[in-house]
Amino acid sequence: SYVLTQPPSLSVAPGQTATITCGGNKIGSKSVHWYQQRPGQAPVLVVSDGGDRPSGIPERLSGSNSGNTATLTISRVEAGDEADYFCQVWDASSDPPYVFGPGTTVTVL
Amino acid sequence: VQLRESGPGLVKPSQTLSLICTVSGDSINSGDHYWNWIRQHPGKGPEWIGNVYYSGSTNYDPALKSRITISVDTSKNQFSLNLSSVTAADTAVYYCARNWNIRPFDFWGQGTLVTVSS
Repeated sequence: SYVLTQPPSLSVAPGQTATITCGGNKIGSKSVHWYQQRPGQAPVLVVSDGGDRPSGIPERLSGSNSGNTATLTISRVEAGDEADYFCQVWDASSDPPYVFGPGTTVTVL
Repeated sequence: VQLRESGPGLVKPSQTLSLICTVSGDSINSGDHYWNWIRQHPGKGPEWIGNVYYSGSTNYDPALKSRITISVDTSKNQFSLNLSSVTAADTAVYYCARNWNIRPFDFWGQGTLVTVSS
């Protein structure tokens, strides 16, 4: 099955930029989606492939994908951005086809 | 769109875990989406378990395929998960979620914790 890697944790000061990476073999050729999960809650889609954001998700969150790394960027970080972030891909050649990363915990200092 | 999981929070080892997901605000019968089960062990990333289409066709994680049955009841706008021969390793929060093919999981249930213990 397809394997995704993420750094376990990331600390960022308010107002700074958080860059969360998601590594995978030729991930740049795949559809990558990003989810935010706060403690005790279900994951929430924040950025889908192509950089689309669902209604209500601020423009401060953006995604990019190239080569072997996909990236979720959170600009002007706020206290409310503190959460776990997961990447997810769909890979037709993988079984299972839907794979999630292990997650990155973002702490706002 | 809302999804809500229901079922026992405690299952004994070797028994079958059974959950139902009730969908509101969308019709499973529309054929526009797949209906998925996803689980998450504490401190880990989510794991896709399988999905069902309104027609009843299914796709399963091969690691769980021998123990899983996912079915749909379009008359009740529900779909269900049965996981047999459970062990402590099946203890997790179970979510139901909606998506279509390569598209993301755009709506999730709130999740239900299932503990496998005697």
